[in-house]
Amino acid sequence: SQTIHQWPATLVQPVGSPLSLECTVEGTSNPNLYWYRQAAGRGLQLLFYSVGIGQISSEVPQNLSASRPQDRQFILSSKKLLLSDSGFYLCAWTSGQGGYGYTFGSGTRLTVV
Amino acid sequence: AQSVTQLDSQVPVFEEAPVELRCNYSSSVSVYLFWYVQYPNQGLQLLLKYLSGSTLVKGINGFEAEFNKSQTSFHLRKPSVHISDTAEYFCAVTRVDYGQNFVFGPGTRLSVLP
Repeated sequence: SQTIHQWPATLVQPVGSPLSLECTVEGTSNPNLYWYRQAAGRGLQLLFYSVGIGQISSEVPQNLSASRPQDRQFILSSKKLLLSDSGFYLCAWTSGQGGYGYTFGSGTRLTVV
Repeated sequence: AQSVTQLDSQVPVFEEAPVELRCNYSSSVSVYLFWYVQYPNQGLQLLLKYLSGSTLVKGINGFEAEFNKSQTSFHLRKPSVHISDTAEYFCAVTRVDYGQNFVFGPGTRLSVLP
């Protein structure tokens, strides 16, 4: 069966520090991968998605970047965090066939101080 | 492009009462429809989905939803809620012909009161 792993679960980082969040999927190949962010009390904001290795699409101009170095690995990064980067970050995958639906990771709570 | 509206940002309801969470969508092409639930500090979990066939779909935890094409709605219902149903609920759509990116609604916070 397919599983998705996301870590760390919580992270407290000072302003100006770098960021690296990792997401990996097991049990499938060539998944579509997504990074979402939830600000406190708000809905889901799509940040990046990837349909293949090295293919990254950005939905929102921001202080973040994403990379997909391997088929089932998706990384969210920042060189210098801002206070506004605080939030709950979610990784998700789907097979590319819409009826399958998204499967989400357990999320990372990022607090920038 | 598709869009999803969840008119109720918050729905308080007493335990064992019925509840309906509303979802309306807009799309010029055929879509698949989904409901997800998010418990505090957790990822989203699929409750149910409509792909085709019967317009009444049943999901986990006693929830069901009815697809109404003429009203472009996909409302979520439960006949009797429990305290444990307190969570955020998201409606989502994706195109049948290009199902890569989903469009999510803003979410409805269901609070079940004792």
